[in-house]
Amino acid sequence: EAGVAQSPRYKIIEKRQSVAFWCNPISGHATLYWYQQILGQGPKLLIQFQNNGVVDDSQLPKDRFSAERLKGVDSTLKIQPAKLEDSAVYLCASSLGRGHYGYTFGSGTRLTVV
Amino acid sequence: AQTVTQSQPEMSVQEAETVTLSCTYDTSESDYYLFWYKQPPSRQMILVIRQEAYKQQNATENRFSVNFQKAAKSFSLKISDSQLGDAAMYFCAYGMEYGNKLVFGAGTILRVKS
Repeated sequence: EAGVAQSPRYKIIEKRQSVAFWCNPISGHATLYWYQQILGQGPKLLIQFQNNGVVDDSQLPKDRFSAERLKGVDSTLKIQPAKLEDSAVYLCASSLGRGHYGYTFGSGTRLTVV
Repeated sequence: AQTVTQSQPEMSVQEAETVTLSCTYDTSESDYYLFWYKQPPSRQMILVIRQEAYKQQNATENRFSVNFQKAAKSFSLKISDSQLGDAAMYFCAYGMEYGNKLVFGAGTILRVKS
């Protein structure tokens, strides 16, 4: 079974620029998550999708972050404009859905904002 | 809101010895799930062990076992016969149900000495 794919693996941008991350979940996984992991901290949920609908985006800074999951498969997370404090690893994860045990993380994208 | 606390930023253990990583959490729920994840430098989160709160028996997976104290809201991880490959960041995580969002602690860096 293929894992959760993420790209790019690394990205360096200047503050006020925009950036986008891509995630391809495991086939058949209905739920997709984006987590932000700042250095020295545990991952924090940014947004959760169930198929192509948003379940929880309460911790997503909506003035600069946006995410979409077209056709309930791939997802893109965008930051515009980026701030220095957005430097972090952005992890994507997917699961079969609520009540199901399987939960798989991707290897993340490390973003550095200079 | 649920919170997870890992009070040990860093731990060291001699190869073949035993080490225990601590985790406490706060919740008003009676049914929930607890996890330990390992994050090596590759950044991919790997599930080490999981515990259902309704089960009194502590979970065990080979060299890994937990001490789950529901009343004290404590969930520690014991690694026996430590190996060099165990060196990584370890995160304790809480979930209200399988296949839903996770709340993570800040992590504990485990160093294994040969």
